[in-house]
Amino acid sequence: GAGVSQSPSNKVTEKGKDVELRCDPISGHTALYWYRQSLGQGLEFLIYFQGNSAPDKSGLPSDRFSAERTGGSVSTLTIQRTQQEDSAVYLCASSSHGTVTYEQYFGPGTRLTVT
Amino acid sequence: AQSVSQHNHHVILSEAASLELGCNYSYGGTVNLFWYVQYPGQHLQLLLKYFSGDPLVKGIKGFEAEFIKSKFSFNLRKPSVQWSYTAEYFCAVNANSGGYQKVTFGIGTKLQVIP
Repeated sequence: GAGVSQSPSNKVTEKGKDVELRCDPISGHTALYWYRQSLGQGLEFLIYFQGNSAPDKSGLPSDRFSAERTGGSVSTLTIQRTQQEDSAVYLCASSSHGTVTYEQYFGPGTRLTVT
Repeated sequence: AQSVSQHNHHVILSEAASLELGCNYSYGGTVNLFWYVQYPGQHLQLLLKYFSGDPLVKGIKGFEAEFIKSKFSFNLRKPSVQWSYTAEYFCAVNANSGGYQKVTFGIGTKLQVIP
């Protein structure tokens, strides 16, 4: 079956521009996570959606970052007024809490470069 | 808040050497524990997981990890490594935090196996 997909795979943008990153989770997965992976920083949690509950936004680094999940499926991560320090690989993962083991399935990521 | 520590950020081994990657977490309640692996140019994927029961869990490619509750540890082991195991390894903890099932990743350990 289809895995988690993300688009675009690469994005180069100028400092100050807004960007939108998309994640299509595995069909039926109720939980969706966004992470940022920077060189030497490991995986940094950004935001977590679970069903219809309010998202856990505790990992968003600033108010320039926002995310939404429409219809409990596709999610968009938006970064406004991008800065060079936003350059990283943005990973999306989904999981099915119906399995109660919370294993996450990761997408290939979007590599964001802010020039 | 939960946290995960991976003490070795970069490990270099010769083929056939034994591997042990340390992982310690801080959280007082019930946890699920995971090791994920990211091979060069590939997605993050699950290596093994502990949910309940036998604290010694086995994953793909002969990897195993032991959950020692008293030490808050979940170290990854492999008796003999191959060049193809060169990858980055992430320990992760899933715990219930304020009603959310929050997953926290360690910073990762880069393993380089020299032929």
